[in-house]
Amino acid sequence: DPKIIQKPKYLVAVTGSEKILICEQYLGHNAMYWYRQSAKKPLEFMFSYSYQKLMDNQTASSRFQPQSSKKNHLDLQITALKPDDSATYFCASSQTANSDYTFGSGTRLLVI
Amino acid sequence: AQKVTQTQTSISVMEKTTVTMDCVYETQDSSYFLFWYKQTASGEIVFLIRQDSYKKENATVGHYSLNFQKPKSSIGLIITATQIEDSAVYFCAMRENTGANTGKLTFGHGTILRVHP
Repeated sequence: DPKIIQKPKYLVAVTGSEKILICEQYLGHNAMYWYRQSAKKPLEFMFSYSYQKLMDNQTASSRFQPQSSKKNHLDLQITALKPDDSATYFCASSQTANSDYTFGSGTRLLVI
Repeated sequence: AQKVTQTQTSISVMEKTTVTMDCVYETQDSSYFLFWYKQTASGEIVFLIRQDSYKKENATVGHYSLNFQKPKSSIGLIITATQIEDSAVYFCAMRENTGANTGKLTFGHGTILRVHP
């Protein structure tokens, strides 16, 4: 069974629309993260949460908003979508901020 | 600012041989953590091995080992007895041990490994 569930696996969105990427982890971890992987770029850190508290935000745009309704959930809301937002978005978690990550399988977003 | 550089874009090796992938990093911190992850063809990202900067002994896990050269800011990944299934993209990553420990990892661009029969 997957230990980190990301939904949906694939997502096609129209420019200007809004989408929410879902992430749930069943590892009992206290820290959760979002990363973006675009073509020809390394995995880019976006956000980190610890005990549902935002620890770091490296996203320049306020169009990206994490939402943590429960300790094991960290969703990513993206508003006013642009074609440049097309990427695979990975959620990850770790026991603490010093521990190894477990990654989800990613959500591949295509904005047309 | 942190930076992780993997200069090898791709490597091809024959099965059952040993391969080394290079990684150099930049950091102002005296304490940091180094990681290697593997991304398979399906896109899955898997943790392989880590090295804590304060440890002198090179980490080893299964057929993965590290060549940690702190004075050179280098952390090479060595895979012995390679198998076809080792074909993947390998990412080096670093986490600084700053006061506000956010857990952020900085990744390199990755090295594509192709293992041939």
